[in-house]
Amino acid sequence: SQKIEQNSEALNIQEGKTATLTCNYTNYSPAYLQWYRQDPGRGPVFLLLIRENEKEKRKERLKVTFDTTLKQSLFHITASQPADSATYLCALGGDNYGQNFVFGPGTRLSVLP
Amino acid sequence: DTAVSQTPKYLVTQMGNDKSIKCEQNLGHDTMYWYKQDSKKFLKIMFSYNNKELIINETVPNRFSPKSPDKAHLNLHINSLELGDSAVYFCASSQGHDGETQYFGPGTRLLVL
Repeated sequence: SQKIEQNSEALNIQEGKTATLTCNYTNYSPAYLQWYRQDPGRGPVFLLLIRENEKEKRKERLKVTFDTTLKQSLFHITASQPADSATYLCALGGDNYGQNFVFGPGTRLSVLP
Repeated sequence: DTAVSQTPKYLVTQMGNDKSIKCEQNLGHDTMYWYKQDSKKFLKIMFSYNNKELIINETVPNRFSPKSPDKAHLNLHINSLELGDSAVYFCASSQGHDGETQYFGPGTRLLVL
C-alpha cells in the first residue's frame, strides 16, 4: 500500500536558519507533489506544487525539490522566521478527482527567536 | 469573503444520531472534497465530487454520504454516528483535479459521545 513519511514529527530551528523538511514515499508513482501549511485550528493552506517532470520550484523564501528516483521531496524555508512556525504537510497525487490523493503525516516546525 | 465555508464549526452529538455538515465555496470551482483529520492529525480524503461525478474512497463506511445540490455546495451526511467518527472534517475545493490548488475550509470539529 502507499506510504508517505515526513522526516520528523517536530523540528526546531533558530530564526534566520534554513529549515529543511523531507517527504519520502513508497509504492506510489505520483504525477505531482504539493506542500501545504496548517496552523492550529485551521485548514491547510497550499504553498507549492511540483510535477514529476520538474526538479525544483521556488516561491519567495520557499524551495521544493522532487526526486522521483529517490522517491523524495525536500522543502526548504530560507531565512526562517517565528511566523513560519506551523505544521507542514506534503501531499501526492496521480489520478483524477483526488482518488489517489494522499497527505503525509506532517512535520511541526518551530522557529525559535 | 470566505472562499470555502463550513457549518457548523463545532458539533457535539450522541452515538447513534444522524448529522450533517454543510460546505459552500464561492470560488466557482468545479471540484469539491471532504477530508477527515483524526486525533493523530492524519488528513485523509473521503470523497471528491466533480460536477455530477462522485468519486468515493472505498475505505469510507457507507454511513457517510455526500450530497451536492449544486456545484457550489457539497454536504456530508453521517448516519448512526460512532465514537470513532470523532475528528475534524475539512471541506475543500479546486478548479480542476490534476494538481490544482485545493482551498480548504476552516473545519468542523465533531465529537461523538
